[in-house]
Order: sequence, then structure tokens, then C-alpha cells
Amino acid sequence: DTAVSQTPKYLVTQMGNDKSIKCEQNLGHDTMYWYKQDSKKFLKIMFSYNNKELIINETVPNRFSPKSPDKAHLNLHINSLELGDSAVYFCASSQGRAGFHEQYFGPGTRLTVT
Amino acid sequence: DQQVKQNSPSLSVQEGRISILNCDYTNSMFDYFLWYKKYPAEGPTFLISISSIKDKNEDGRFTVFLNKSAKHLSLHIVPSQPGDSAVYFCAASKGNQFYFGTGTSLTVIP
Repeated sequence: DTAVSQTPKYLVTQMGNDKSIKCEQNLGHDTMYWYKQDSKKFLKIMFSYNNKELIINETVPNRFSPKSPDKAHLNLHINSLELGDSAVYFCASSQGRAGFHEQYFGPGTRLTVT
Repeated sequence: DQQVKQNSPSLSVQEGRISILNCDYTNSMFDYFLWYKKYPAEGPTFLISISSIKDKNEDGRFTVFLNKSAKHLSLHIVPSQPGDSAVYFCAASKGNQFYFGTGTSLTVIP
């Protein structure tokens, strides 16, 4: 029974398209995150939601928009995809603040923009 | 601006020996530190953590040491096992700020 799941696992699309990545957690956590791991393997937080409210919004292009319909879901929508958006995107969740509480990560979504 | 750094991208250790992974940070206000382990094609998994009020935390074969004056933490794995081969990320946090290091790829040689 997967704790944090992401769909799709792989996503190949062309520049200029709009795409979404879905994330669901069944752990009952109140905080969810999106991370981007680039080609240099650098893992960087993009967004964090606590009880459906945005609490972290690192400097990411406004083409990226998180959507949280409820505590168990945090989807990532990307408009006008660019080559530089190619990366692995990880969703994660925790009960409480990331620093004090361990995060549980999904398996990642590999996005390739051609 | 990289606030958490792991200067060794890779490390190879013989099975049974000690593995020492290092991490440096720049922000003295960080109050919590964590280590995560990542296998290929999987998300990171939590390994061990330490609060800034402590200098050592141990969990089985894993021990994390924190040197606040040097802004340095390390993860010791004793004894190392082939299943420990993975990428290890350190992370640091303060409030809603949370930063991962760039990772160290550990290979344990049987």
C-alpha cells in the first residue's frame, strides 16, 4: 500500500505544452511538498502546503502552480513547458514542519521536454 | 546559493568498514538536521536526524555527529553493508526553510 504516490512516473512532452503531475498521500499528513531534482542531482524544494495553504513558495517561475484540493493531494501544474523544466519531480509529505518531522517521498516523475 | 554542501560526490568503502559522509552548512540559524538515503528510481527515505541542541544521535549502525562551531555534520555507518550503497543527502532546516545538500554516492564493496 503506497504511502505517497505520483502519476505519471514518466512524462515526455513538447515545449510549449501544459502538463500536470498528481500526488496523493495516504498517511494522514498535514503538509505536502514538491521538489525538483535537476540534471546535477540537486534536490530543491519548490512548494510546500500545510492544511491546503501555501507556506513555502521558493523562487520558481509562475508557470508552475501547485493545486491542493484537500490535505491528501497536491498536484503540480506546469504551463508553457520549457527545455529547462526537464527534471525529476518528487512529491513528499510530513506531519508538521519538514525540519522536525521526517518527510515521506513519492517515487518521482521524470519529465522530459523535447 | 548553496546553504548545505556535500563536497564529496562519491565514496567507496569495503564491506564491514566504517563509512563517513560529511556535510557543511553556512546558516548558523539552522536548528534541525537530517540525513536521507536514496536508491535509483526511488524517492529519498529518511535515515536519521539531530537537533541543534545535541551533538550526537545514534540509531543502530547509523550515527550522526554535529559540530556547530564548524557548521559541520557527519554520518557514520558501522559496519558498512552492500545494501547501504545509495546516494545520501544531508538536509537542514529553520522555520519553513528546508535545504538539501547535493548528495554523496556511497558504494560499499563486498
